[in-house]
Amino acid sequence: RKEVEQDPGPFNVPEGATVAFNCTYSNSASQSFFWYRQDCRKEPKLLMSVYSSGNEDGRFTAQLNRASQYISLLIRDSKLSDSATYLCAVTFFSAGNKLTFGGGTRVLVKP
Amino acid sequence: GAVVSQHPSRVICKSGTSVKIECRSLDFQATTMFWYRQFPKQSLMLMATSNEGSKATYEQGVEKDKFLINHASLTLSTLTVTSAHPEDSSFYICSASSTSGRYNEQFFGPGTRLTVL
Repeated sequence: RKEVEQDPGPFNVPEGATVAFNCTYSNSASQSFFWYRQDCRKEPKLLMSVYSSGNEDGRFTAQLNRASQYISLLIRDSKLSDSATYLCAVTFFSAGNKLTFGGGTRVLVKP
Repeated sequence: GAVVSQHPSRVICKSGTSVKIECRSLDFQATTMFWYRQFPKQSLMLMATSNEGSKATYEQGVEKDKFLINHASLTLSTLTVTSAHPEDSSFYICSASSTSGRYNEQFFGPGTRLTVL
């Protein structure tokens, strides 16, 4: 079983709609959680960190469920420019600052 | 956010040659730099972690003699792919973090696309 897993998608989303997807992690000692956005043939860019209490940044909301060991990302009022691959990343207590990435979820927002 | 640069952005080389990729943190001191590799339609796989002034720590399955990493200063790390072969063709991305960074944040370089003929 992979340490960090994501539904690869693609999630085809009408413009203006809401889309949500999860990322599961297997190590209960996971420490920090992040969502990155990666456009085709580009480097990942940090979208947001995920806090225990959940957090929101504009149209993006991230949640952490430690009991079920997953994080989620919700995008409201989807824009065409939201089309990208969303990578979750996790650090573990025993691994210092190392990020372990999920395989990514591809989101396609269509007019 | 902090800026990390990589050079070159793209390289095409013949099989058997060595390729050096530079990763620089431009506006902060990076105590730790990470090197990742990403094959098409796959996620980033960590290759190694390098701390300034010490030997890199390689992930399982990554040949340290093939992928030479040097982190000589707090702003520069280099990855040398020695005797490159077509199977080494990939997108190589570095990231940098600082002990003063929040929540272990890493800042990524723009990546280097390596094609070995």
